[in-house]
Amino acid sequence: GIQVEQSPPDLILQEGANSTLRCNFSDSVNNLQWFHQNPWGQLINLFYIPSGTKQNGRLSATTVATERYSLLYISSSQTTDSGVYFCAVVDSGNTPLVFGKGTRLSVIA
Amino acid sequence: GAGVSQTPSNKVTEKGKYVELRCDPISGHTALYWYRQSLGQGPEFLIYFQGTGAADDSGLPNDRFFAVRPEGSVSTLKIQRTERGDSAVYLCASSPYGLPNTGELFFGEGSRLTVL
Repeated sequence: GIQVEQSPPDLILQEGANSTLRCNFSDSVNNLQWFHQNPWGQLINLFYIPSGTKQNGRLSATTVATERYSLLYISSSQTTDSGVYFCAVVDSGNTPLVFGKGTRLSVIA
Repeated sequence: GAGVSQTPSNKVTEKGKYVELRCDPISGHTALYWYRQSLGQGPEFLIYFQGTGAADDSGLPNDRFFAVRPEGSVSTLKIQRTERGDSAVYLCASSPYGLPNTGELFFGEGSRLTVL
């Protein structure tokens, strides 16, 4: 099945810093989503982005489907950005959403 | 409803007992998914419904796990003879369409199961 690799696995930032999270996948995809899992365990939708670029406030994402990667940019990080960021994909082989192992982000004041 | 609703939010049970977890998807969403998340891991797929039928149950770990969606809306995940290793957060998601072009998936808050 499709493999989803996220990097880095852990990231510590000073409040106000910028960061880039990466998601590599091993096959073509029909769906790619970025989620933020908050400390209470809720998976919050950030982007539905099988291709192209989107922005939402301090967050933006780019997926280059032909090169099989996606990037999540966080600018001017805040302590509330802490948590685990997951990339998840649906491949063209009808496999339901497959998650990467996540990037654990800690933003310190 | 406005979002995916899961009940109970927390369930503590004893080894060997039977457990039911309920999921109410977003109104109009045809596809429904169950995932399981253990501590420190990403969610892992269990089963996917397209309408009333289980289109893919390849993620169910063994025959103690079963799920139904009799009217194409609410789904129940059933676990028989629970074991301590079943302790996890069980997540439900729904999407407007089925595979392969599902549209965006939305997750509920999960049901945390603890087996003593």
